[in-house]
Amino acid sequence: SQTIHQWPATLVQPVGSPLSLECTVEGTSNPNLYWYRQAAGRGLQLLFYSVGIGQISSEVPQNLSASRPQDRQFILSSKKLLLSDSGFYLCAWSPSLSDTEAFFGQGTRLTVV
Amino acid sequence: GESVGLHLPTLSVQEGDNSIINCAYSNSASDYFIWYKQESGKGPQFIIDIRSNMDKRQGQRVTVLLNKTVKHLSLQIAATQPGDSAVYFCAENRGTGRRALTFGSGTRLQVQP
Repeated sequence: SQTIHQWPATLVQPVGSPLSLECTVEGTSNPNLYWYRQAAGRGLQLLFYSVGIGQISSEVPQNLSASRPQDRQFILSSKKLLLSDSGFYLCAWSPSLSDTEAFFGQGTRLTVV
Repeated sequence: GESVGLHLPTLSVQEGDNSIINCAYSNSASDYFIWYKQESGKGPQFIIDIRSNMDKRQGQRVTVLLNKTVKHLSLQIAATQPGDSAVYFCAENRGTGRRALTFGSGTRLQVQP
């Protein structure tokens, strides 16, 4: 069976510090991978998605970047965090070449102070 | 894109009643729709999906209705239980050219004992 791991679960970082959130998927090959952000009491905003190693599509201009160094690894990064980067970050995967539901990790709650 | 606006709308129901959660979508090219349930501090979990060639799909205690004419999606939960309390999101896949889900703004369901 497929599983998705996302860490850390919570993170408190000072303004201007770097960020690295990691997500890995097990039990599947060549998944589509996604990073979403959810502000408190709001819906999910798609930040990045990837259909393969090294292939990253950015949905909105922002202070964040994403990388996919391995087939089942997706990393969300920032060189210098802003207060507005606070939120709940969710990694998700879906099977490639088919339009089906996405499966979500448990999320990382990031607080920038 | 992001769902902007105010805090999540809330639907409050009595335990045992039926719940109906509504969602409007804007893209007539969307061909796949999903309902997710998100409990506090967790990632969204898949509930039920429906493709655009269907009007209705039933699961265990849940039914999704799709009205393509008015671009409306609804989730019906029968005999609502306290464990159903969560935020519910509809999501659409806006065609195969972009393999990512777009989420609605969500509805908070509160089940009163």
